Amino acid sequence: GQNIDQPTEMTATEGAIVQINCTYQTSGFNGLFWYQQHAGEAPTFLSYNVLDGLEEKGRFSSFLSRSKGYSYLLLKELQMKDSASYLCAVRASGGSYIPTFGRGTSLIVHP
Amino acid sequence: DSGVTQTPKHLITATGQRVTLRCSPRSGDLSVYWYQQSLDQGLQFLIQYYNGEERAKGNILERFSAQQFPDLHSELNLSSLELGDSALYFCASSTGDSNQPQHFGDGTRLSIL
Repeated sequence: GQNIDQPTEMTATEGAIVQINCTYQTSGFNGLFWYQQHAGEAPTFLSYNVLDGLEEKGRFSSFLSRSKGYSYLLLKELQMKDSASYLCAVRASGGSYIPTFGRGTSLIVHP
Repeated sequence: DSGVTQTPKHLITATGQRVTLRCSPRSGDLSVYWYQQSLDQGLQFLIQYYNGEERAKGNILERFSAQQFPDLHSELNLSSLELGDSALYFCASSTGDSNQPQHFGDGTRLSIL
């Protein structure tokens, strides 16, 4: 099976930088996804990492270290609209490639 | 707009009843996934279909069933409903390739009274 850990909640100030960590244990690894989900809305895809290193997409970047079973999502120049839950999802190798979602990190951005 | 359409948006019913949730995937996507999300459980995978065939099963109860039709839309049937079935039910679709993300519909909020 898989085990995914994320902090339950984080707070940050508008304009600042925040790093949301995700650690995972899986038998085989075939990719890690980050999704953003506003309360009561659909998760929306942010990033995908399958190789070690940093993927940058505008204000959002995602990092992966497969040897450490670790990823983080970095949000820069925080805006109030970034207040949301951030879900880390890990796909194991073999089988059906269904990603397992973490419980999510609720990020609160305050002025 | 993800391109995934779910109906209805809200559903209120009573214990013991049966409901059907519907999903139309993004154009070109062959794979459909159903998820249940409740406050204390996070996003739980229920079942996946690929081009009309069941591909993977997750934590889906025997009271629940699903199918994918030739036009690729999918339905999730929930029967003998219990209070604990109250949740957001999301449908997602993807091309089916392992490196492609899932795109989620807006969900159906099911409330059991």
